[in-house]
Amino acid sequence: EAQVTQNPRYLITVTGKKLTVTCSQNMNHEYMSWYRQDPGLGLRQIYYSMNVEVTDKGDVPEGYKVSRKEKRNFPLILESPSPNQTSLYFCASSLPAGGSYNEQFFGPGTRLTVL
Amino acid sequence: GQQVMQIPQYQHVQEGEDFTTYCNSSTTLSNIQWYKQRPGGHPVFLIQLVKSGEVKKQKRLTFQFGEAKKNSSLHITATQTTDVGTYFCAGFRDSGTYKYIFGTGTRLKVLA
Repeated sequence: EAQVTQNPRYLITVTGKKLTVTCSQNMNHEYMSWYRQDPGLGLRQIYYSMNVEVTDKGDVPEGYKVSRKEKRNFPLILESPSPNQTSLYFCASSLPAGGSYNEQFFGPGTRLTVL
Repeated sequence: GQQVMQIPQYQHVQEGEDFTTYCNSSTTLSNIQWYKQRPGGHPVFLIQLVKSGEVKKQKRLTFQFGEAKKNSSLHITATQTTDVGTYFCAGFRDSGTYKYIFGTGTRLKVLA
C-alpha cells in the first residue's frame, strides 16, 4: 500500500530534550516536506527536499533541522525543543515539484507537546 | 510576508445547500491545489489547477483559478454530510521556488 508513515504519532516531551520525528514514504517520491499545523494558521512549511541531499527552508525553519540521506526518509529533528513548537506536524511527499502530477501525499501526523 | 487568506473561516450549512470557499493570495501563484482534511485526519489532495482562468469539476465540486493567478474558489453543490471537514488551498509562489504556501483553511460543518 502506497503510504507516508510518521513516528511517533504522539509525543510529550520537556524543553531542551532533543527529539527526532521520522518520516518514510514507499512511493519513490523525489519531493518531501514537513509542515506544522496550528489553529487559524493553516499548514506552514518548515523544510522541504527536492531530492536526496537537497533540502531547503520553508516559511518557519527556526528551531528545526532535517536531513535527506535516502530517498524514502526525511526525518525532522528538534535539537532543543521549546513550548512554542507544540503543534501538529505532517510529513508529505510527491513526485517532482515542477511536474504535472505533484499532488502531495500526507502522513497521519505527529502531535507534539513540549512542556 | 506573503499570505494566503481563505474566507470564510467557518461555515455551517444545512445538508443540500451550496457552499463556497475563497482563497486569496497577496502575490501570484504558479499553481493552486486544494486539499480536504477530515476532523482528526490528514490533508487529502483534491485537485490542481495551473492555468489562468482554469475551471475544473469533480462531481459536485467546482474549482476555479483566477485570471491573475492570485485567487481561487471551491464550490460544492448540494452539500452532503460527507463533505464535512476543513478545505485548504495551497500553491507555489510564482518565483521559481518549490516552497509551498497554504491558505488558512475553511472549516465546513453540514447539518443533517
